Amino acid sequence: QVQLKESGPGLVQPSETLSLTCTVSGFSLTSYSVSWVRQPSGKGPEWMGRMWYDGDTAYNSALKSRLSISRDTSKNQVFLKMNSLQTDDTGTYYCTRDYPGITPYFDYWGQGVMVTVSS
Amino acid sequence: DIVLTQSPALAVSLGQRATISCRASQSVSISRYNLMHWYQQKPGQQPKLLIYRASNLASGIPARFSGSGSGTDFTLTINPVQADDIATYYCQQSRESPPTFGGGTKLELK
Repeated sequence: QVQLKESGPGLVQPSETLSLTCTVSGFSLTSYSVSWVRQPSGKGPEWMGRMWYDGDTAYNSALKSRLSISRDTSKNQVFLKMNSLQTDDTGTYYCTRDYPGITPYFDYWGQGVMVTVSS
Repeated sequence: DIVLTQSPALAVSLGQRATISCRASQSVSISRYNLMHWYQQKPGQQPKLLIYRASNLASGIPARFSGSGSGTDFTLTINPVQADDIATYYCQQSRESPPTFGGGTKLELK
């Protein structure tokens, strides 16, 4: 069955870089795109960016200068790196499988990883 | 970016109908495709896809959930509401990048 699981540090210092890994199973990264979505506590989700099935990437312009998404198809993993973290980057970070199409929606979500930005 | 507006909360009695609305700042429809989707999120859990493209039930979702709408106005209906449906509901558009979400409607018991 389709599964996604995020992993990474729960605590990051201000101005440091966040590195997260999404490990997927039950589908191929060369057939489906994967997005990163984050959610501050008590607020709606925010789409951060996408690794398309063909290896291309797309980013939310609000985060583009700080964000990088990459993948290792041999390990079924998608990576997120975001630099210059601030306290308002605190929240839960999810990876999602994107239902295929030019305007994808998010049909499976990982359980999420809580990230706190604090000194 | 397309802004999606939802009422923060809705109180409903068990067994009654709940109607949750979402209004977009511009049309999210292309031709016959209405590019609005709905998710359910329970406390401490990840969001779960309920409805895709405005009116299509996602796999495994009970038939008491339904969606409608076009253009800028969309509705998620739960009828009848069961105790397991108490959660926060989010709409999301995929008409334009970046995909955006509403602020969520928390369904509460009356």
